[in-house]
Amino acid sequence: TQLLEQSPQFLSIQEGENLTVYCNSSSVFSSLQWYRQEPGEGPVLLVTVVTGGEVKKLKRLTFQFGDARKDSSLHITAAQPGDTGLYLCAEISSGTYKYIFGTGTRLKVLA
Amino acid sequence: EAGVTQSPTHLIKTRGQHATLRCSPISGHTSVYWYQQALGLGLQFLLWYDEGEERNRGNFPPRFSGRQFPNYSSELNVNALELEDSALYLCASRSWGRGRGGSSYEQYFGPGTRLTVT
Repeated sequence: TQLLEQSPQFLSIQEGENLTVYCNSSSVFSSLQWYRQEPGEGPVLLVTVVTGGEVKKLKRLTFQFGDARKDSSLHITAAQPGDTGLYLCAEISSGTYKYIFGTGTRLKVLA
Repeated sequence: EAGVTQSPTHLIKTRGQHATLRCSPISGHTSVYWYQQALGLGLQFLLWYDEGEERNRGNFPPRFSGRQFPNYSSELNVNALELEDSALYLCASRSWGRGRGGSSYEQYFGPGTRLTVT
């Protein structure tokens, strides 16, 4: 089953630190989404990026779509304990509306 | 606006039994997706229903099936349960129009059903 590669798999940092997580594919993305999932809940959509080189900001979160549309990154500035969760990227096939999810990065921010 | 709801929250079954999981989408959403998430890992796409029809299927055996009702709610059925079917089953709904973030690809997830097969 196809999955996108995310790195790192696990990340534990102190409150106030910055971090970047990555999502990579061997093929070109048509559109890419980032989600955050907290324990006991379903994933919540953070952002959708569709254009190569696109950068979107959501408060302390910065999302970047690679120029070649084969990779994406999520950067969190001054991480807070509330940022703790599983971060998932997902590729959307525009023709089939099928979503392929990444392997996930589990982030823990310590107070 | 009420979100996606799923029932039951937890389900414990014995190997070989049958399980039925239910999902109610956000009002106005016609598309329902089902995913399997094992051990807090990435989601595996199971099924996509829209307007009562199965539109796409993931790489799962035929004992995973489902349907969508006229009110767009959906049911996932798993026959002949195996131990490796133990997972969190997530349902998501999507509208063909633009979502809150401006994209037509936005899907909204329910809290999931935790299925345990013993």
